[in-house]
Amino acid sequence: SQTIHQWPATLVQPVGSPLSLECTVEGTSNPNLYWYRQAAGRGLQLLFYSVGIGQISSEVPQNLSASRPQDRQFILSSKKLLLSDSGFYLCAWSVQTTGELFFGEGSRLTVL
Amino acid sequence: QQPVQSPQAVILREGEDAVINCSSSKALYSVHWYRQKHGEAPVFLMILLKGGEQKGHDKISASFNEKKQQSSLYLTASQLSYSGTYFCGSQGGSEKLVFGKGTKLTVNP
Repeated sequence: SQTIHQWPATLVQPVGSPLSLECTVEGTSNPNLYWYRQAAGRGLQLLFYSVGIGQISSEVPQNLSASRPQDRQFILSSKKLLLSDSGFYLCAWSVQTTGELFFGEGSRLTVL
Repeated sequence: QQPVQSPQAVILREGEDAVINCSSSKALYSVHWYRQKHGEAPVFLMILLKGGEQKGHDKISASFNEKKQQSSLYLTASQLSYSGTYFCGSQGGSEKLVFGKGTKLTVNP
């Protein structure tokens, strides 16, 4: 069966520090991969999505970046965090044909 | 483009029914519905892939009107476990799924 793992689960970072969130999917190949952000009490904002290795589409211009170094690995990064980067970050994958999304457990980021 | 959900919030008593609507200004290829409990990741409920399709999951069902570019989620005889925030997501033919802002459903005893 397919599983998705995301880490770390929680982190508290100072403004200006770097960020790296990692997500891996098991049990499937060539999935679509997504990063969403959810600010407190808000909806799901699509940040990045990828249909293959090295193929990244950015939805919101900001100080975040994403990379897909391997087929089932998706990384969200920042060189310098802002206060506004705080939120609940969710990685998700989908089967190419149906598009049904399966979410990871989420990473709660607090920038102080 | 982000779909619009209504209402933003609804409060029910156990056993009551509710309808959540989702509309888009763009032609839709599919509509997804997810439920998110507080502090948890969203969980997939159902996907509707073609116009006029209706699907059901326990006492939760949904319809998709392709011509009107809208979908509705029906919760019948609500249970306490139905509480959470419901999100619709729309796909306009590309690979990405864009979510609405969500509808917070509270079911009280």
